[in-house]
Amino acid sequence: EAEVAQSPRYKITEKSQAVAFWCDPISGHATLYWYRQILGQGPELLVQFQDESVVDDSQLPKDRFSAERLKGVDSTLKIQPAELGDSAMYLCASSFLLAGNQETQYFGPGTRLLVL
Amino acid sequence: AQSVTQPDIHITVSEGASLELRCNYSYGATPYLFWYVQSPGQGLQLLLKYFSGDTLVQGIKGFEAEFKRSQSSFNLRKPSVHWSDAAEYFCAVGAGSNFGNEKLTFGTGTRLTIIP
Repeated sequence: EAEVAQSPRYKITEKSQAVAFWCDPISGHATLYWYRQILGQGPELLVQFQDESVVDDSQLPKDRFSAERLKGVDSTLKIQPAELGDSAMYLCASSFLLAGNQETQYFGPGTRLLVL
Repeated sequence: AQSVTQPDIHITVSEGASLELRCNYSYGATPYLFWYVQSPGQGLQLLLKYFSGDTLVQGIKGFEAEFKRSQSSFNLRKPSVHWSDAAEYFCAVGAGSNFGNEKLTFGTGTRLTIIP
């Protein structure tokens, strides 16, 4: 069964450092999402891509966060500089669109970030 | 804007007993509804989904959910829980758009503990 791949699984960094997360969606999935999940809460959308284009980045803190999906396949999420409040699980999801705008998102295992 | 409420933060159930996790949503049109499960430190796994049609939907691992429009609810049920069902459960609502769901809005989750 095809899965969404993410790396690294865990990342510890010091504040003010740069970090990057990578996501490889399920093959053929045109839509890719990055979510942030703070401990004890549900995931919240950071950015949505349709192929290589950003569809929604309204919740992405653009002063420090950036995301790209250059060839419309895998994606990288970067934080620079990291802050203590960025400690969270970063989840990637991908999906494809069925008839009637029915869409199911499949999630990767996530990257757990700890900022010290 | 859509929203999801999961009123129970933590539920404890005996192994073999029945289970019902509550989910209420707020959305102006017919929603797309999902239940995901998350084991500690892991990503989200899709349990089941509702787009249209039969309001009782079957999912994996013996779970089912019923969409009740009049109550704006999508409660998750299982007739007999197993110790392996212990996890965090998230209800999510999606809004249809040209790109499908546009984005998922998650509840804050319900942690399920199973006792022998």
